Amino acid sequence: GAVVSQHPSWVICKSGTSVKIECRSLDFQATTMFWYRQFPKQSLMLMATSNEGSKATYEQGVEKDKFLINHASLTLSTLTVTSAHPEDSSFYICSAQPDYGAYNEQFFGPGTRLTVL
Amino acid sequence: EDQVTQSPEALRLQEGESSSLNCSYTVSGLRGLFWYRQDPGKGPEFLFTLYSAGEEKEKERLKATLTKKESFLHITAPKPEDSATYLCAVANQAGTALIFGKGTTLSVSS
Repeated sequence: GAVVSQHPSWVICKSGTSVKIECRSLDFQATTMFWYRQFPKQSLMLMATSNEGSKATYEQGVEKDKFLINHASLTLSTLTVTSAHPEDSSFYICSAQPDYGAYNEQFFGPGTRLTVL
Repeated sequence: EDQVTQSPEALRLQEGESSSLNCSYTVSGLRGLFWYRQDPGKGPEFLFTLYSAGEEKEKERLKATLTKKESFLHITAPKPEDSATYLCAVANQAGTALIFGKGTTLSVSS
């Protein structure tokens, strides 16, 4: 149980284009999901907290107009990187917090490698 | 400010050589301490949740313990497949987001 998927697992795009990443909780409902970014050999950096049916809460320094988050259902959150540039290249990971069970437990997706040319 | 510090940054062990990883934390009202394992190019894999001092949890060769200031991840007789980065994270009373340490990269050679 507690499986989270991400799609795509990797994507290469041209500078200026937009890229959408999907995060799905496969066997549980999650009112709250999270989006992280990870640079090589560094730990996870929280970008935003996504709550179903409401606006996402962004961490300081994260541009909300550049990283659009939509949490339209209890099993799906999407991150759209708009007008992507090479500096947006990174490993993006989502996590989901089950509505049942232990407080604050999060289960992570496999990540999406974004490369912007 | 809430903070999580993991040590050592990197650890090299021989197969069968037991050791411990440390996670020190300062947090305003601990709501949980979490251990994850992360393999290169993959998302973190959940290992354990600890909630109160004195609590211990085990899974195969791994055992996690918690005190009021730190947590240890003990690895008994490690195997090469235990090689990974181990991440520690805490949840405070303010919200649901986790605060991560920088991780300990474990390499086990045969």
